[in-house]
Amino acid sequence: NAGVMQNPRHLVRRRGQEARLRCSPMKGHSHVYWYRQLPEEGLKFMVYLQKENIIDESGMPKERFSAEFPKEGPSILRIQQVVRGDSAAYFCASSLGGDQPQHFGDGTRLSIL
Amino acid sequence: SQQGEEDPQALSIQEGENATMNCSYKTSINNLQWYRQNSGRGLVHLILIRSNEREKHSGRLRVTLDTSKKSSSLLITASRAADTASYFCATDLTGGGNKLTFGTGTQLKVEL
Repeated sequence: NAGVMQNPRHLVRRRGQEARLRCSPMKGHSHVYWYRQLPEEGLKFMVYLQKENIIDESGMPKERFSAEFPKEGPSILRIQQVVRGDSAAYFCASSLGGDQPQHFGDGTRLSIL
Repeated sequence: SQQGEEDPQALSIQEGENATMNCSYKTSINNLQWYRQNSGRGLVHLILIRSNEREKHSGRLRVTLDTSKKSSSLLITASRAADTASYFCATDLTGGGNKLTFGTGTQLKVEL
């Protein structure tokens, strides 16, 4: 009964490269959320997706960031042309929707050289 | 100040003592959730309390919610060294569409 699976756990990119972060939700969950955590801070909401739909992307930077949750396969958070300020831990959560609790993965720690 | 602020920022206690953490928020909520995060790991869901509930228990955890004061507390009784972690409250705002707003957390250290 696997929980939320994120990969990779650690990702190192040089400035200008692309970063792709993957998230497989818990079995039976069709709601996926992405959050970003800077050092010593709480999590900040980025985007909320259901299968094939973006429900709320109010926390996503306007440029370079995109997310998808296709009908088949994991949700992907994509960051193009990364900059040093993108260094953070990126967490994915999934839920059954509604007011059900969100369950988190162990995150991807992105480091930009 | 931001939605979902925890107090205190850091707490150090001896094993066996109780730990109380508080969370204040600003706007109307659907529910409030408490999470634990160990260093370098993801968040573990502890308790969800809905806006029409006042108190919930889970094992050694007790959560209260006072919507008139827009505050919640997390009590950990008979603390253990393994409870050492950061604790976050997260609010699901009314009309917020299920996204959670997190505070900056309370760092709890339980010493032997």
